[in-house]
Amino acid sequence: DAGITQSPRHKVTETGTPVTLRCHQTENHRYMYWYRQDPGHGLRLIHYSYGVKDTDKGEVSDGYSVSRSKTEDFLLTLESATSSQTSVYFCAISGHAQGGEQYFGPGTRLTVT
Amino acid sequence: SQQGEEDPQALSIQEGENATMNCSYKTSINNLQWYRQNSGRGLVHLILIRSNEREKHSGRLRVTLDTSKKSSSLLITASRAADTASYFCATDARTRAAGNKLTFGGGTRVLVKP
Repeated sequence: DAGITQSPRHKVTETGTPVTLRCHQTENHRYMYWYRQDPGHGLRLIHYSYGVKDTDKGEVSDGYSVSRSKTEDFLLTLESATSSQTSVYFCAISGHAQGGEQYFGPGTRLTVT
Repeated sequence: SQQGEEDPQALSIQEGENATMNCSYKTSINNLQWYRQNSGRGLVHLILIRSNEREKHSGRLRVTLDTSKKSSSLLITASRAADTASYFCATDARTRAAGNKLTFGGGTRVLVKP
């Protein structure tokens, strides 16, 4: 987890409220990713970034938006949280354009009631 | 949909035994990676094998890759209680898109009994 922090680590929120999760890195890596992990589904990519202000959708992007205004921060926003977005969210970083390992943060457990 | 599918979903062994888990995938890849996740933690990269490699070793880990069968296996030799974790394969599909996107399988939960 070195070099990557996520905040908050735990959050409980109500349906319909906006939620923003933050990923912060000190490794100066170009690529950043948001995943969600649910039982039986492994990790699924939500959005990723390949540079400041450069982002793209992943496999399960509906209901989520992201922003990256500086290299070290990648924000994930749930505009109007739903119970189906209850999950554990992981941020990851990589210094490789293709074919390299990713380094994961400690995760954020989000519960939407 | 998951690119990688691990088998078995769960595995229970005694300390000292070997643990083998398999991963199958669907499309052509640049490389395949294995990660470990301890309960409540983030994933940790274990080993990467490129599409032109057939076998790779790292300490007590041995990974094989058969691109003709689109499958890989991870062997942990002489297992320890500390190896108890979930293990995930991840594939980096051949694509022109930038960003090193990985697709993860559902994982194998390994329990090593002391």
